[in-house]
Amino acid sequence: GAVVSQHPSWVICKSGTSVKIECRSLDFQATTMFWYRQFPKQSLMLMATSNEGSKATYEQGVEKDKFLINHASLTLSTLTVTSAHPEDSSFYICSARSGDIYNEQFFGPGTRLTVL
Amino acid sequence: GQNIDQPTEMTATEGAIVQINCTYQTSGFNGLFWYQQHAGEAPTFLSYNVLDGLEEKGRFSSFLSRSKGYSYLLLKELQMKDSASYLCAVGDSNYQLIWGAGTKLIIKP
Repeated sequence: GAVVSQHPSWVICKSGTSVKIECRSLDFQATTMFWYRQFPKQSLMLMATSNEGSKATYEQGVEKDKFLINHASLTLSTLTVTSAHPEDSSFYICSARSGDIYNEQFFGPGTRLTVL
Repeated sequence: GQNIDQPTEMTATEGAIVQINCTYQTSGFNGLFWYQQHAGEAPTFLSYNVLDGLEEKGRFSSFLSRSKGYSYLLLKELQMKDSASYLCAVGDSNYQLIWGAGTKLIIKP
């Protein structure tokens, strides 16, 4: 299957700093990338959907100014958590899809963010 | 509203068979996905159903009834490594995936 990578795998930062997470599709072109957040023992929560070259579509309740998403190319999307706070500590997972809904989403390995 | 229901937790014995059910109510339907997620890892794709019936893939099978808004994932010959959470997700009319909360499957020797 297709491979999606995320970097970093985990990060610890101080409150108030910004953290950038990269999501790359390694062997296919991802027309759509998704960013999810998952708190312990909870299901995935979709944060935003991004299509290459256009602005991301954010889910209700997700602050677009706090979670900046850039989908600059068909193989790279970035999520920047600005002015992170302890409540932003979570497991952030990206997924990528080529084509339409009938194509499966391929998930990255996730990034565990801990904000002190 | 949109809703995906699946049991929170199930327990089964190694070598046995287990069926994990999923019922859904969504605005439109563009397929149902099952994903497996081990603790601390990202989900991995298991199956996709868009037509009624049973899709078999090795030890795993997935069934869909669109008229009933119902699906199940059937796991045969259970192995300890099958201990994980199993997530049901439905593509709605906007081609967004609506996720269930997941079913934690515990396999006992």
